[in-house]
Amino acid sequence: SQTIHQWPATLVQPVGSPLSLECTVEGTSNPNLYWYRQAAGRGLQLLFYSVGIGQISSEVPQNLSASRPQDRQFILSSKKLLLSDSGFYLCAWSVTGLAEETQYFGPGTRLLVL
Amino acid sequence: ILNVEQSPQSLHVQEGDSTNFTCSFPSSNFYALHWYRWETAKSPEALFVMTLNGDEKKKGRISATLNTKEGYSYLYIKGSQPEDSATYLCAFMVGGKLIFGQGTELSVKP
Repeated sequence: SQTIHQWPATLVQPVGSPLSLECTVEGTSNPNLYWYRQAAGRGLQLLFYSVGIGQISSEVPQNLSASRPQDRQFILSSKKLLLSDSGFYLCAWSVTGLAEETQYFGPGTRLLVL
Repeated sequence: ILNVEQSPQSLHVQEGDSTNFTCSFPSSNFYALHWYRWETAKSPEALFVMTLNGDEKKKGRISATLNTKEGYSYLYIKGSQPEDSATYLCAFMVGGKLIFGQGTELSVKP
């Protein structure tokens, strides 16, 4: 069966510090991968998605970036965190990205930028 | 800008009450509407994927309907239980991406 892991679970970082969040998927090959964020008082917002190694699409302008160095690994990064980067970050995967296909979410990382 | 609206934002009911909430989405270029349940400290869990106008899906005490022509979906919970307490999210699929509403936070008191 497929599983999705995220770490760390919780992170407190000072403004201006770098960030690296990792997501890995097991039990499937060539998944579509997604990074979402839920900021305080807002809905889940898609940040990045990837259909393959090295292929990243960015949905919103921001100071975050994403990379997919391996088939089942998706990394969210920042060189300098802002207060507004605080939120709950969820990684998700799907098989093909078709409209009727479910996306499966990881446990998430709660990030607090102080 | 595509917008998905959910109402109410939060709902407090007693155990045994039946409840329903609404998801509104753009009625043009419809592909699919997804419902998720998100319990505290857990991952969002898929409930339903709905694709056809008039679709009705059921999972235990939870059911959902879809009207793609007017752009809304209802989620019903019959005889709410404390374990139903969660945030219920709907998401509109467009261009291979899910656009989420803000969710309805349901609290069921024993």
